[in-house]
Amino acid sequence: QKEVEQNSGPLSVPEGAIASLNCTYSDRGSQSFFWYRQYSGKSPELIMSIYSNGDKEDGRFTAQLNKASQYVSLLIRDSQPSDSATYLCAVKASGTYKYIFGTGTRLKVLA
Amino acid sequence: EAGVTQSPTHLIKTRGQQVTLRCSPISGHTSVYWYQQALGLGLQFLLWYDEGEERNRGNFPPRFSGRQFPNYSSELNVNALELEDSALYLCASSLDQSSGNTIYFGEGSWLTVV
Repeated sequence: QKEVEQNSGPLSVPEGAIASLNCTYSDRGSQSFFWYRQYSGKSPELIMSIYSNGDKEDGRFTAQLNKASQYVSLLIRDSQPSDSATYLCAVKASGTYKYIFGTGTRLKVLA
Repeated sequence: EAGVTQSPTHLIKTRGQQVTLRCSPISGHTSVYWYQQALGLGLQFLLWYDEGEERNRGNFPPRFSGRQFPNYSSELNVNALELEDSALYLCASSLDQSSGNTIYFGEGSWLTVV
């Protein structure tokens, strides 16, 4: 069973701090990784995708991928109360075109 | 450019009834995915359609079915509704089967079974 694991949280950080969200996956052959943000009662929206080892930055967001450790993370710099949401890690399973989602980490940014 | 559109947005059904949910993918996208998200739970993969064919199916009973039309829109049908089918049903689309394509979600259909 190919799995994606995330700490459910809540992860509480003060406004302006860096929030660090982590995700591990079991399928060593996975090549595509995604972070989505989901506000309560809403659908997931894409934050960013990452395919290669290393860091990928987009504004206040940085995704980090380490395939050897089967680990993906998302850093949110200068966290704002509007960043309070559930963050979903998704992995495209190797050998299929199925996208497997973690259960998400709830982030609370305290004003 | 319009995103993924789903209908209806909310509906209430009685146990034992049948429901059809509809999805229109982003223009140019040929792959459609369906997910179920029960309250407080993660996204569970239901079905994947591409080029009109069912390509993959999650661990759901046969009463969950669907299809994809020539214009790439899709329907999800759930027969013999049970209380635990109450959930947010999300449709997502991507360009094609190519590795790495991002999937984009619609706003979802909230189904309540009473």
